[in-house]
Amino acid sequence: GQQVMQIPQYQHVQEGEDFTTYCNSSTTLSNIQWYKQRPGGHPVFLIQLVKSGEVKKQKRLTFQFGEAKKNSSLHITATQTTDVGTYFCAAPRSYNTDKLIFGTGTRLQVFP
Amino acid sequence: DGGITQSPKYLFRKEGQNVTLSCEQNLNHDAMYWYRQDPGQGLRLIYYSQIVNDFQKGDIAEGYSVSREKKESFPLTVTSAQKNPTAFYLCASSRDRASNQPQHFGDGTRLSIL
Repeated sequence: GQQVMQIPQYQHVQEGEDFTTYCNSSTTLSNIQWYKQRPGGHPVFLIQLVKSGEVKKQKRLTFQFGEAKKNSSLHITATQTTDVGTYFCAAPRSYNTDKLIFGTGTRLQVFP
Repeated sequence: DGGITQSPKYLFRKEGQNVTLSCEQNLNHDAMYWYRQDPGQGLRLIYYSQIVNDFQKGDIAEGYSVSREKKESFPLTVTSAQKNPTAFYLCASSRDRASNQPQHFGDGTRLSIL
């Protein structure tokens, strides 16, 4: 079945360093969503990308959707300790469904 | 304040026992979902419901059952047939069955075996 691969699995950074997580699919996606889960918490929706090549920014976070709509990335500039958590990408299993398939997640640890 | 409420926060199950996890939403959302999350893992879909009185199996439905008698409520029963129930269970909802709707999650229930 469809899979959404996410790398890296873990990332430890010093506060102030940048961080990037990548999401890859073997099939073309209608859209991609990104969620953040703080330790002990629940996933919280961050953003959705729909268009080929789309780039969206939220303060220090930059989200990109690939031209072929098969990959996406989340980049955090100058990480802060508040960025700690696991970042998941998620995509609809097919073009006309609400059921999402979640990536395996990238766990970010930020050292002060 | 609209949202999704899951209860209890922690639950312990004895051998051979069925337990029910509650999920209530006041967002007026049509679609609701149950996920299982194991430590350090992603989310796996157990069951989902796109409308009242209808629900479908997800990827790991064996040993679980659900009902959707009311729009606001989507309880999950972990039956004794689920041999490895220890996990973090997350309930989510989205506005409708369209593919571009974000999902809103509850705080989760942590289930352990006694």
